[in-house]
Amino acid sequence: AQTVTQSQPEMSVQEAETVTLSCTYDTSESDYYLFWYKQPPSRQMILVIRQEAYKQQNATENRFSVNFQKAAKSFSLKISDSQLGDAAMYFCAYRSENFGNEKLTFGTGTRLTIIP
Amino acid sequence: GAVVSQHPSRVICKSGTSVKIECRSLDFQATTMFWYRQFPKQSLMLMATSNEGSKATYEQGVEKDKFLINHASLTLSTLTVTSAHPEDSSFYICSAKRLVGGYTFGSGTRLTVV
Repeated sequence: AQTVTQSQPEMSVQEAETVTLSCTYDTSESDYYLFWYKQPPSRQMILVIRQEAYKQQNATENRFSVNFQKAAKSFSLKISDSQLGDAAMYFCAYRSENFGNEKLTFGTGTRLTIIP
Repeated sequence: GAVVSQHPSRVICKSGTSVKIECRSLDFQATTMFWYRQFPKQSLMLMATSNEGSKATYEQGVEKDKFLINHASLTLSTLTVTSAHPEDSSFYICSAKRLVGGYTFGSGTRLTVV
């Protein structure tokens, strides 16, 4: 079974600075998807960014980018120019490429605080 | 964009009663719906996966007779917590898999059993 580990329960960053959230995973599969989701106080899950394992290029979405290291099974999220609205729980998630096994496996989450 | 409407957002029920939570995809067909449970300050734990027109697949340790899932149409899936007890109090979230483009989450239901 796949597991996802987020070793930082809490992180804080000064507004406008950059912060990196860590995520590692364990799998025996070669094809899969990785995601970062944000859960603000409203508890609505919001997709931040997604990465296909077959792509070597790191995904980028505006201020959010990932460092995907397939051999190391590492998938960190970098948030640049942090804003107050970035404060939330961030969950890393894994999904198998196999049809019929499309569930998301989530990490334990990192609570990000933005310091004004 | 794709929206999943989840109701109710909050419910308080008495111990021993049943509660039904609905998730409806408003502008797309959800062939697969996932139901998660989230305890305070914890991650989302998958309870079951439902496919339209077939029986749900439950994760290990989840009581299928207690958490009844129905996915009778491509736009509606329901989770019924039967004979609820205080330990069932939690935050329940549904997530619909779209044919193209990933997953859409409902806004969640906070269940309190008193």
